[in-house]
Amino acid sequence: GQNIDQPTEMTATEGAIVQINCTYQTSGFNGLFWYQQHAGEAPTFLSYNVLDGLEEKGRFSSFLSRSKGYSYLLLKELQMKDSASYLCALSGGYNKLIFGAGTRLAVHP
Amino acid sequence: KAGVTQTPRYLIKTRGQQVTLSCSPISGHRSVSWYQQTPGQGLQFLFEYFSETQRNKGNFPGRFSGRQFSNSRSEMNVSTLELGDSALYLCASSLAQGKYEQYFGPGTRLTVT
Repeated sequence: GQNIDQPTEMTATEGAIVQINCTYQTSGFNGLFWYQQHAGEAPTFLSYNVLDGLEEKGRFSSFLSRSKGYSYLLLKELQMKDSASYLCALSGGYNKLIFGAGTRLAVHP
Repeated sequence: KAGVTQTPRYLIKTRGQQVTLSCSPISGHRSVSWYQQTPGQGLQFLFEYFSETQRNKGNFPGRFSGRQFSNSRSEMNVSTLELGDSALYLCASSLAQGKYEQYFGPGTRLTVT
């Protein structure tokens, strides 16, 4: 099976940096995705890691360590519009994504 | 390029009825996946279609079915609706598989009374 754990909620201040962790237990997967979902909207793609290491994309970075069963999403220079749920998902065969429950991030002024 | 579209956006049905939801992928995308999102269970994979063939299926009862047409448009059907089927149903399209990101549609909000 694939247990994926993320913190339920996090709060942070505008302009700060926040790290959202994702841990998993699985026998195998192709890669790990991060999606952002604003309330009432569809998830939107943020990043994809297939190899261990850091992937940077503007204010967002994602890290993967397969040996430790661990990933994180790093958000820098937080803005109010970053208040959303962040979903970690493992990619299995044929586009099957197994999602974690998501982390609700609230950014305060 | 137009995004993924889903129709209808909102639907109210009664227990025991059946429902069909439609998804049009981004032009050129041949893979369509369906997900159910509920507050209690989060986002759960239903099934995936590629070139009219179901390649993968999640752990849902046989009441949930789908199909894909030659133009890559996809439909999912839920028969004998139950109250617990109330959810947001999302479809996502992608070019191929694996490393290709999936683009989600706005979803169909199904309420079963």
